[in-house]
Amino acid sequence: EVQLVESGGGSVQPGGSLRLSCAASGFTFSNYEMTWVRQAPGKGLEWVVYISSSGSTKYYAESVRGRFTISRDNAKNSLALQLDSLRGEDTAVYYCARRLELDVWGKGTTVTVSS
Amino acid sequence: QSVLTQPPSVSAAPGQKVAISCSGSSSNIGRSAVSWYQQLPGTAPKRLIYDNTQRPSGIPDRFSASKSGTSATLGITGLQSGDEADYYCAAWDTSLSGIVFGTGTKVT
Repeated sequence: EVQLVESGGGSVQPGGSLRLSCAASGFTFSNYEMTWVRQAPGKGLEWVVYISSSGSTKYYAESVRGRFTISRDNAKNSLALQLDSLRGEDTAVYYCARRLELDVWGKGTTVTVSS
Repeated sequence: QSVLTQPPSVSAAPGQKVAISCSGSSSNIGRSAVSWYQQLPGTAPKRLIYDNTQRPSGIPDRFSASKSGTSATLGITGLQSGDEADYYCAAWDTSLSGIVFGTGTKVT
């Protein structure tokens, strides 16, 4: 079964950091580009970042560029998102998804930024 | 922020049909394929439509979609209570080099 499982969410103060992980199974992870999407409480979906299958190409949303860093370890079938300089507006459920077509989604991990 | 515009809500009686519009621009819908996602309450989104009109396996043919110019439409026929959800369109935006989502439409 194709599956994505996010972890690493939690509560953090403004200016703090978190590292999110996404474990992939059921498919050849190294063949697929990956994406992070977030959803603030009661709001719509917002694309955050994309990474190519090799990890050589990355695109970031303007709202997170310079603060978030995406990476992947194809040997471990894992995707990571480093969140630095967090702000209140980063509070959201963070989903990892497969491909730009977002054909498979994880259940999400919640990040809360509050003092 | 959302770049694609959808109506906030649509409603219909069970068995009826609804149509959800998604309006974009030449840098997104006008140049890229549109996908549609269904988000049931409290769950992660699920892909309903890809490549403008294609349904993944397992998605019933009650769901259909079309695209014309810089707009797209999702149609749902034979509406069921289980279809109550939020629906989002999405496309790659060549100006932003990123995915843009619609504002979302709640179907009741």
